[in-house]
Amino acid sequence: SQELEQSPQSLIVQEGKNLTINCTSSKTLYGLYWYKQKYGEGLIFLMMLQKGGEEKSHEKITAKLDEKKQQSSLHITASQPSHAGIYLCGADLGNAGGTSYGKLTFGQGTILTVHP
Amino acid sequence: DAGVTQSPTHLIKTRGQQVTLRCSPKSGHDTVSWYQQALGQGPQFIFQYYEEEERQRGNFPDRFSGHQFPNYSSELNVNALLLGDSALYLCASSLLAGGRNTQYFGPGTRLTVL
Repeated sequence: SQELEQSPQSLIVQEGKNLTINCTSSKTLYGLYWYKQKYGEGLIFLMMLQKGGEEKSHEKITAKLDEKKQQSSLHITASQPSHAGIYLCGADLGNAGGTSYGKLTFGQGTILTVHP
Repeated sequence: DAGVTQSPTHLIKTRGQQVTLRCSPKSGHDTVSWYQQALGQGPQFIFQYYEEEERQRGNFPDRFSGHQFPNYSSELNVNALLLGDSALYLCASSLLAGGRNTQYFGPGTRLTVL
């Protein structure tokens, strides 16, 4: 099984609707990163969460970290066509009991389509 | 402030050949990591370079090797190319001393092996 599971694998929403993407780790999280990717392009950094209960927002995107459940969620409010793309969560799963200093394990990604 | 840059953008090679991909990190960053992203998958960690040395490595064969130069730029070399090496190769940079180690990614190099 995957060390980092994302759900759903794909999502189609109407413009203006809210949506949530989840990311669950089978191992202890030392940091959780959210990225957005346009097909065939590089990853754009959205947010980084490190502490349990931490919540960050950027424009209409909010990410939360539940350390006990080893889970993070990404919530988009009032979606727009510009939100379309692939959302990837990447986790620092540690190394010898501490941070792995940037070695990230990624989920398979969630493909988001927003219909105008 | 220049972000992470990679070259070339696209590359087509045949099986058995060798390839070199290049990466310049974001200004002020000292660490470079390389990832391989197959179609429809998340990126997979290949290795990381800091102070011109390979600091950690993922589950990739020795055909994959790299180098970091004194100006922090990096190269990824792949020998004896296989069809399965076709992928988007992503370079990411970070500042090791920064504490949070956020990885900033380049646009990637698309490698096609025929």
